[in-house]
Amino acid sequence: SAVISQKPSRDICQRGTSLTIQCQVDSQVTMMFWYRQQPGQSLTLIATANQGSEATYESGFVIDKFPISRPNLTFSTLTVSNMSPEDSSIYLCSVFAGLGEQYFGPGTRLTVT
Amino acid sequence: AQKVTQAQTEISVVEKEDVTLDCVYETRDTTYYLFWYKQPPSGELVFLIRRNSFDEQNEISGRYSWNFQKSTSSFNFTITASQVVDSAVYFCALTLYGGSQGNLIFGKGTKLSVKP
Repeated sequence: SAVISQKPSRDICQRGTSLTIQCQVDSQVTMMFWYRQQPGQSLTLIATANQGSEATYESGFVIDKFPISRPNLTFSTLTVSNMSPEDSSIYLCSVFAGLGEQYFGPGTRLTVT
Repeated sequence: AQKVTQAQTEISVVEKEDVTLDCVYETRDTTYYLFWYKQPPSGELVFLIRRNSFDEQNEISGRYSWNFQKSTSSFNFTITASQVVDSAVYFCALTLYGGSQGNLIFGKGTKLSVKP
């Protein structure tokens, strides 16, 4: 298994500002993923972050809005830029731990006012 | 394209009842993984089980059991003798084996309420 931590756990932000979310894993992993869960909805993949290469974004998500860093095999950040109330969601970091197992961090609850 | 359907939006049971959560998936690929996750009110996503497409054996873990049937593309989850602590949203998910691993396609979730 993998133990994943995220910071911050929650935040309330003003419209037009940016928030950077950190994800730390207790072991080295090749692939890290960022998901979004809008209120009352299911989870949607934002992007895949591999160390040493640019993140790969899913349809509907762009790098200017959600820049991602992956400086090493245990850490990644997701920035939510120029926020609007529609960005209010839970953002979850996830890792693929091999053998088909996939784990999620505790999530960051973001409220944009 | 892949799709996961959880037709039950909400289920309410009384403690000690058995409850089955349905999951139907669609994919043209022959190699894939299926998952169940639990999301309690606190929000974290708890991994429950992963099953690969080559393994149709049913699995039991304590009060939890899973029935995987490729013939009907279903991966149903049963909680026996439900408890209040089982109250949560349960998600079924699918990912393909290989390069797309990690890109989980989630169902919309089933909210389970277990009343004392």
